[in-house]
Amino acid sequence: NAGVMQNPRHLVRRRGQEARLRCSPMKGHSHVYWYRQLPEEGLKFMVYLQKENIIDESGMPKERFSAEFPKEGPSILRIQQVVRGDSAAYFCASSPSREKLFFGSGTQLSVL
Amino acid sequence: AQTVTQSQPEMSVQEAETVTLSCTYDTSESDYYLFWYKQPPSRQMILVIRQEAYKQQNATENRFSVNFQKAAKSFSLKISDSQLGDAAMYFCALDQGGSEKLVFGKGTKLTVNP
Repeated sequence: NAGVMQNPRHLVRRRGQEARLRCSPMKGHSHVYWYRQLPEEGLKFMVYLQKENIIDESGMPKERFSAEFPKEGPSILRIQQVVRGDSAAYFCASSPSREKLFFGSGTQLSVL
Repeated sequence: AQTVTQSQPEMSVQEAETVTLSCTYDTSESDYYLFWYKQPPSRQMILVIRQEAYKQQNATENRFSVNFQKAAKSFSLKISDSQLGDAAMYFCALDQGGSEKLVFGKGTKLTVNP
């Protein structure tokens, strides 16, 4: 059973470009979470999704950020018109229930 | 609002010795979970240990154990017989009952000296 797969592992974008981060949850997991880790900080919750539904997006910035978890395929975190402050590690986690999260290895986004 | 505080930005320990990492938290809920995660340089977040708040018995996983003091809202991690592979960032996290999101502390960087 493969773990949570995130790609790309590293992503470099110039200011104003779009960033797309992908996450494939573990087999059988229907809950997906995205977290952001700024340098020297702990992870901060962004959004919680189930298939085709956003359950809680209270941690998402109001503009430029969106997330989806379609019926087929990976979950996508999309950041439009990136700025330098978006540079961070973005982690995806999946869970069969709320009691244990399994994290991916993260995508390091660097904005030039 | 829930908060998690790790007061030790860095800690070091000699190989084979014991080290304790501190964590305090604040929540108004009575039903919650507490976690310790390890983040090595590979960046992978690895679950070390989990504690349900309603359980009085402290959780243990091999060389890792916790001291859970619910009234004091304290949740420290003890690593016994430290190994070089234990070197990593350690994050304490709180999952409030009914919520689907973890609140993390800022982490403690553990160095293991040979």
